[in-house]
Amino acid sequence: DGGITQSPKYLFRKEGQNVTLSCEQNLNHDAMYWYRQDPGQGLRLIYYSQIVNDFQKGDIAEGYSVSREKKESFPLTVTSAQKNPTAFYLCASSMGTENNEQFFGPGTRLTVL
Amino acid sequence: QKEVEQNSGPLSVPEGAIASLNCTYSDRGSQSFFWYRQYSGKSPELIMFIYSNGDKEDGRFTAQLNKASQYVSLLIRDSQPSDSATYLCAVTYSGAGSYQLTFGKGTKLSVIP
Repeated sequence: DGGITQSPKYLFRKEGQNVTLSCEQNLNHDAMYWYRQDPGQGLRLIYYSQIVNDFQKGDIAEGYSVSREKKESFPLTVTSAQKNPTAFYLCASSMGTENNEQFFGPGTRLTVL
Repeated sequence: QKEVEQNSGPLSVPEGAIASLNCTYSDRGSQSFFWYRQYSGKSPELIMFIYSNGDKEDGRFTAQLNKASQYVSLLIRDSQPSDSATYLCAVTYSGAGSYQLTFGKGTKLSVIP
């Protein structure tokens, strides 16, 4: 099956802890993205990566970090510096071309206790 | 500032009617336009994309694009209760050789049996 997987589905974090969200794709896509969605809000871009070992900040990168060591994987770390991390986190991938159809994973719902 | 505006709704239509969802965007240079459907608690699913002025039909869905007016719409014919969801409009913008999507906040559609 081709697709994008995210784990875990639900994640609970204590204040002051770092947590890492996993995103894997087997679509052979070059580009990968992380978004955050808050209730009643659209998707906001956190980080994106066009190629391995390269990534750029999106609109709301503060308090987050990423790595892209493999084409298939783009993990997101939510650090303790993120002031309001409770949200629905979505990973997406695309071919990275202008007609840029992005496909989403199932998401991780993070709750800070 | 790249902006995508959608009426938040809710938009209520009776079963079998046509649902019309609208979206305006601010970046006159945008070239690619996407509609995603998002069920409550789930990730967005791509349902339509359009790149050229005019209409594009796929089954019960028709996307309409007017670049001069910076307006894109989605028509859903013969609406079904299973179409009840939030519909997100997304627009591509480019910068530094990469392509990202800007999302609207979505329109919630409710199809009444």
